[in-house]
Amino acid sequence: DTAVSQTPKYLVTQMGNDKSIKCEQNLGHDTMYWYKQDSKKFLKIMFSYNNKELIINETVPNRFSPKSPDKAHLNLHINSLELGDSAVYFCASSRLLLGYEQYFGPGTRLTVT
Amino acid sequence: AQTVTQSQPEMSVQEAETVTLSCTYDTSENNYYLFWYKQPPSRQMILVIRQEAYKQQNATENRFSVNFQKAAKSFSLKISDSQLGDTAMYFCAFMKHGNYGGSQGNLIFGKGTKLSVKP
Repeated sequence: DTAVSQTPKYLVTQMGNDKSIKCEQNLGHDTMYWYKQDSKKFLKIMFSYNNKELIINETVPNRFSPKSPDKAHLNLHINSLELGDSAVYFCASSRLLLGYEQYFGPGTRLTVT
Repeated sequence: AQTVTQSQPEMSVQEAETVTLSCTYDTSENNYYLFWYKQPPSRQMILVIRQEAYKQQNATENRFSVNFQKAAKSFSLKISDSQLGDTAMYFCAFMKHGNYGGSQGNLIFGKGTKLSVKP
């Protein structure tokens, strides 16, 4: 059984389009995250949700909007895609308490042309 | 703000030998967590090892061990008996300790070290 899944794994789209990436975890965790990995492999937190509430919102363009319909899901919607949005986006989940490890999804490689 | 520095962009090691990857970090916090994550070519992020700052004993996981020097803010990873499957990007990461025994949640990553294990 997949612990943290993301769909799609690959996404190629044109500038100006709107797209969504979905994330689901079946680990019973209370916290979910979105990270962005750029072309130089640098990973940076974008958002974090705990029990469906936003707790971390780093400096990210407001074209990016996370949505958490329930504790097991955290989706990322991106409006008006730009070339610079091309990256790998990782979803992760954890239990917030006690600094437990974060379990990562397989990543979604987004290519904007 | 916390920062994590990995000073070795690339390293290589012969199969069966030992290699040490360096990581330093900067924080004014006293309680925090440190992690090493591995990212093989498959792209999957895999936890290698975890260390709680309040524990003086260095964490070990089979062939992987850390040298945690809190005063020096250093957290190096030693891989013994290197295997071809260890070829990957390795990321050092910091997580701030929160209230009530919890954490602040987000991982702050270093820029990674690309490790190649040669046969």
